[in-house]
Amino acid sequence: NAGVTQTPKFRVLKTGQSMTLLCAQDMNHEYMYWYRQDPGMGLRLIHYSVGEGTTAKGEVPDGYNVSRLKKQNFLLGLESAAPSQTSVYFCASSYEGKANEKLFFGSGTQLSVL
Amino acid sequence: KNQVEQSPQSLIILEGKNCTLQCNYTVSPFSNLRWYKQDTGRGPVSLTIMTFSENTKSNGRYTATLDADTKQSSLHITASQLSDSASYICVVSDYNTDKLIFGTGTRLQVFP
Repeated sequence: NAGVTQTPKFRVLKTGQSMTLLCAQDMNHEYMYWYRQDPGMGLRLIHYSVGEGTTAKGEVPDGYNVSRLKKQNFLLGLESAAPSQTSVYFCASSYEGKANEKLFFGSGTQLSVL
Repeated sequence: KNQVEQSPQSLIILEGKNCTLQCNYTVSPFSNLRWYKQDTGRGPVSLTIMTFSENTKSNGRYTATLDADTKQSSLHITASQLSDSASYICVVSDYNTDKLIFGTGTRLQVFP
């Protein structure tokens, strides 16, 4: 069991470039999430998905798009990267998204936008 | 103002010593409170999850306590090891929205 796998681990972009971050989980979880972690701030939810083919906005969705075409994959896209999107991005998943369920996180993607 | 405040921001202790990390929150009502450990360069890993009705929960050398009346939680680490060096994040789940509200973490360094 690999758990939650994120690719790539590091990326540097120029302002205006686009990229896609991939998250894959092998635990058959229904719920998947994208968070960003910035210095001095708690993790903030960008988008999430409650099942294959569904997506929903989180706390800070602007500038990002997501897709969940397959249950095991959750993609995060940046169409036109901005320096404010420099951050560490974490994908997470949970089985049914219930209140007391554990979240399983990936190892993160460090993104720098110059 | 962050609804989940952690203290101290950072802490240095010697291997073998005990330490206690604090979490104060204003989220109300809440359904559960979680503690996560985040190693440098890794994602957070769940240590404990306590519902509003639980007072304490242990996971090996980690013991979390919860006082819902004063809206405080603590994470006690016993007989610290070098591998305990990490950030510890307190997370509170909002009962009404199911939204998870993350604290900014306490960075613990354990030296030999």
